[in-house]
Amino acid sequence: GENVEQHPSTLSVQEGDSAVIKCTYSDSASNYFPWYKQELGKRPQLIIDIRSNVGEKKDQRIAVTLNKTAKHFSLHITETQPEDSAVYFCAATTNQAGTALIFGKGTTLSVSS
Amino acid sequence: GAVVSQHPSWVICKSGTSVKIECRSLDFQATTMFWYRQFPKQSLMLMATSNEGSKATYEQGVEKDKFLINHASLTLSTLTVTSAHPEDSSFYICSASSHEQYFGPGTRLTVT
Repeated sequence: GENVEQHPSTLSVQEGDSAVIKCTYSDSASNYFPWYKQELGKRPQLIIDIRSNVGEKKDQRIAVTLNKTAKHFSLHITETQPEDSAVYFCAATTNQAGTALIFGKGTTLSVSS
Repeated sequence: GAVVSQHPSWVICKSGTSVKIECRSLDFQATTMFWYRQFPKQSLMLMATSNEGSKATYEQGVEKDKFLINHASLTLSTLTVTSAHPEDSSFYICSASSHEQYFGPGTRLTVT
């Protein structure tokens, strides 16, 4: 089955700096890679996703890159703000009907002002 | 966007009792729903995949007789934690699958 590794587990940055979180996956059949932001006690919120036919996707301050050959994908947050502080999870799936998301262990991002 | 609800949002029960958690897709039909468990400061761990009208598929290490899943309709799946114990205390989150997965708000279970 799929296995997703995520690094780092914690990340502290100054406001305005960039933050990068990296994930690797094991199943070459996986073709959908979402990123979630989770605040304490709440559901995960999808912030950006990428499919295997695309190498990079950007949405304002957030971008995701995918290297299918190396089986890794990364989340990039630029110009970080204190409200970006949360736990971020990467996930992978084949996105076929009935296939669950497999999550990385999460990264706790702290942005200090 | 698609909306998934869960009920209750939190529950406290005594050890040995059973608790039922409902997951509903409010504005779409979900052939498949997933149940995840999240312990404090940990990731979401898939417990089972629930398909409407058929038996759930459980992940390795998840006791199917303890965590009963019923997916009676295309909009409702239930998770019953039977004979709950303090180690079952956790945050239980469901998701429903349409074009993408939509998460419910989660249920905080505390077993005393």
